[in-house]
Amino acid sequence: QQQVKQSPQSLIVQKGGISIINCAYENTAFDYFPWYQQFPGKGPALLIAIRPDVSEKKEGRFTISFNKSAKQFSLHIMDSQPGDSATYFCAAYQSGTYKYIFGTGTRLKVLA
Amino acid sequence: DAGITQSPRHKVTETGTPVTLRCHQTENHRYMYWYRQDPGHGLRLIHYSYGVKDTDKGEVSDGYSVSRSKTEDFLLTLESATSSQTSVYFCAISDQGMSNQPQHFGDGTRLSIL
Repeated sequence: QQQVKQSPQSLIVQKGGISIINCAYENTAFDYFPWYQQFPGKGPALLIAIRPDVSEKKEGRFTISFNKSAKQFSLHIMDSQPGDSATYFCAAYQSGTYKYIFGTGTRLKVLA
Repeated sequence: DAGITQSPRHKVTETGTPVTLRCHQTENHRYMYWYRQDPGHGLRLIHYSYGVKDTDKGEVSDGYSVSRSKTEDFLLTLESATSSQTSVYFCAISDQGMSNQPQHFGDGTRLSIL
């Protein structure tokens, strides 16, 4: 029940295309859902985050869509660029537990 | 970038030897975490701390111990390293305060156990 399932494992997108990464969870007590971006040799860095009372959040080319009834959330990268090539992790957090549960990651490659 | 320093950044050691990894923060955040990152497993929590001398186990704590004697330092110790502990280790901090806050990560320690 504590798992967060992330798909796909890897993704190849043409420059200018839309990259979509999906995550699903079971624990309805999760109340914070961040996405992280990780470049080789670096630690994950917060990209964008959403709370379950909001269905969508947009920051620049990055959008989180949240479907509370389906217990799913997704990251959309519009106009994908080669510089977006990285590994992306979704995560979920339940207030009071101090712990974040991470998905297994998606390796994105954007072709020039 | 959040002030998180992990040391060493790379280490190669032999099976059976003790290893200590250090995480140092300059943000005065209350919460500190140790994760390991392995292909196909994402980030898995080893131990975390919610204050000085207050620590708890994560999902993969066997073979690891931690200590936090002051706010800024969180140490991860492998008492007797095994090859299965070869991994990249990340430290993270957060300051959840009144509402959910994201974690900020260091740049990792790549540990190889031969």
